[in-house]
Amino acid sequence: DTAVSQTPKYLVTQMGNDKSIKCEQNLGHDTMYWYKQDSKKFLKIMFSYNNKELIINETVPNRFSPKSPDKAHLNLHINSLELGDSAVYFCASSRGGTAGHYNEQFFGPGTRLTVL
Amino acid sequence: GNSVTQMEGPVTLSEEAFLTINCTYTATGYPSLFWYVQYPGEGLQLLLKATKADDKGSNKGFEATYRKETTSFHLEKGSVQVSDSAVYFCALSDLAENYGQNFVFGPGTRLSVLP
Repeated sequence: DTAVSQTPKYLVTQMGNDKSIKCEQNLGHDTMYWYKQDSKKFLKIMFSYNNKELIINETVPNRFSPKSPDKAHLNLHINSLELGDSAVYFCASSRGGTAGHYNEQFFGPGTRLTVL
Repeated sequence: GNSVTQMEGPVTLSEEAFLTINCTYTATGYPSLFWYVQYPGEGLQLLLKATKADDKGSNKGFEATYRKETTSFHLEKGSVQVSDSAVYFCALSDLAENYGQNFVFGPGTRLSVLP
């Protein structure tokens, strides 16, 4: 069974369009994340949700809006797509940690977004 | 804030060579440390982890020891294989300000192993 899944795997679209990427985890984790990976493989955290509440929102344009209908899902909606949004987007999840013992993240396979 | 520094790649080795990828970190608290591996076209996978000083994480012949005194978590493997070619990320996690965990990743090191 796939632990963290994302759809679609590839997304090619025109500038100015609105698109969504879906993420689901079946691990029972209470925290989910979105990352953006650029062409040099650098990973940047975008959002983090814990029990459906936003806990980390890095400096991301407000064209990006995460939506968490329940603990197992964290979708990413992008409005007015720009060329610079082209990247690979990864969803991840983790169990909550305690001070001195933090748990690893499990990553989805990624969604390669290409904006033309 | 917290940060992770790791050696820039690419690193190119011959099969059966010894591998070291250096990783150092800065953290205000007492983080857990991780190494992740990303194979071409795939997501990141946990390779190994350590949660306290002097812990050694190991998996698939890779090892890393949590060194609090030098704030380091260097990745080593005694004999690399062509199948180890991938991008390796060092990462840390500690408590976020408003609950939850705060993960910080290094920039990644691309390893290429030649037959």
